[in-house]
Amino acid sequence: AQTVTQSQPEMSVQEAETVTLSCTYDTSESDYYLFWYKQPPSRQMILVIRQEAYKQQNATENRFSVNFQKAAKSFSLKISDSQLGDAAMYFCAYRRASNYQLIWGAGTKLIIKP
Amino acid sequence: DSGVTQTPKHLITATGQRVTLRCSPRSGDLSVYWYQQSLDQGLQFLIQYYNGEERAKGNILERFSAQQFPDLHSELNLSSLELGDSALYFCASSGLDRAGRETQYFGPGTRLLVL
Repeated sequence: AQTVTQSQPEMSVQEAETVTLSCTYDTSESDYYLFWYKQPPSRQMILVIRQEAYKQQNATENRFSVNFQKAAKSFSLKISDSQLGDAAMYFCAYRRASNYQLIWGAGTKLIIKP
Repeated sequence: DSGVTQTPKHLITATGQRVTLRCSPRSGDLSVYWYQQSLDQGLQFLIQYYNGEERAKGNILERFSAQQFPDLHSELNLSSLELGDSALYFCASSGLDRAGRETQYFGPGTRLLVL
């Protein structure tokens, strides 16, 4: 069975600094997708960034980028120039290419210090 | 705003009762997913429907059931409620994003409190 592990329950970073959130996963599949979702206090689940396993190039979305290490089954999220609005729970999620069920990590609470 | 709507936003009920959560997917999306977010279990997939038919089942209890109607809205029915069913229930629908990639869009959730 596939599992997703986020080992950092909470992280804090100074505003304007860079922070990296960790995620590891376990799968025997070769074709899959990985996601980072943000859940602010409003509880809305917002997609931040996604990575297709067949792509070697790391995905980037403005201040958000990932470090995807397929062999190590690692998928970390880097947030550059942290802003107060980045404060939220961040969830790493996995899905197989053959179905659409998302498997979730436990989440990391990100605190931004002004 | 994701385009996915869920009603009600909040629900308070008692143990043993039955409730129905409603979800309307984004216009044009045929798939609907239900997820449960609880303090004990975290986020977990419950069930998926595609164009009215059940497509996949996850960790959904037998006391829970769902359906998708011809107009594509979906309902999640929770019966014989227990304290442990208190959670945030998300609905998501999937469609293609601007880059042509299948993406799940989440509704705002229904917060259920069982007393």
